[in-house]
Amino acid sequence: NAGVMQNPRHLVRRRGQEARLRCSPMKGHSHVYWYRQLPEEGLKFMVYLQKENIIDESGMPKERFSAEFPKEGPSILRIQQVVRGDSAAYFCASSPTGGTNTEAFFGQGTRLTVV
Amino acid sequence: TQLLEQSPQFLSIQEGENLTVYCNSSSVFSSLQWYRQEPGEGPVLLVTVVTGGEVKKLKRLTFQFGDARKDSSLHITAAQTGDTGLYLCAGESGGYQKVTFGTGTKLQVIP
Repeated sequence: NAGVMQNPRHLVRRRGQEARLRCSPMKGHSHVYWYRQLPEEGLKFMVYLQKENIIDESGMPKERFSAEFPKEGPSILRIQQVVRGDSAAYFCASSPTGGTNTEAFFGQGTRLTVV
Repeated sequence: TQLLEQSPQFLSIQEGENLTVYCNSSSVFSSLQWYRQEPGEGPVLLVTVVTGGEVKKLKRLTFQFGDARKDSSLHITAAQTGDTGLYLCAGESGGYQKVTFGTGTKLQVIP
């Protein structure tokens, strides 16, 4: 049973370009969470999705960021018109249910560098 | 805004020594998780504590959840070089796996 798969592992974008980060949850998991980790900081919650639904996007910047988790295929975190401050490690986690005390498994992350 | 402060921020110790990492908040959490993260990798869950006052042991690691469910500690006995990494506590209170991560403790165990 493969773990949470994120790709690409490393992504370099010029300012103003778009970044697309992909997350394939563990088999049987229909709940996905995205976190951002800035250098030397802890992880910050961004968004929680179930299949085809955004449940909580309270941690998403209001502009340029969007997320989806379609019925088929991976979850996508999309950052439009990237700026230097978007440089960070973006982690995806998945869980089989969304209840309390449910263990979530993290992927290895995508390290975005904006030049 | 819920905040989880971890202390110390950095810790460098000799192999064989004991250490304790603290995780403190003014907020109450329904559960608290501890993760270890190695460079270039995602966090890996070590333990989840749910009940106030709960103590859980994982080999040389002992985790305790405060009675009021606002704080937690991680104690490592006889540290080994393989314990080196970033230790993160994370509190859950949203009814689902939306957790607030602590500021992290970077541990280095020197042989």
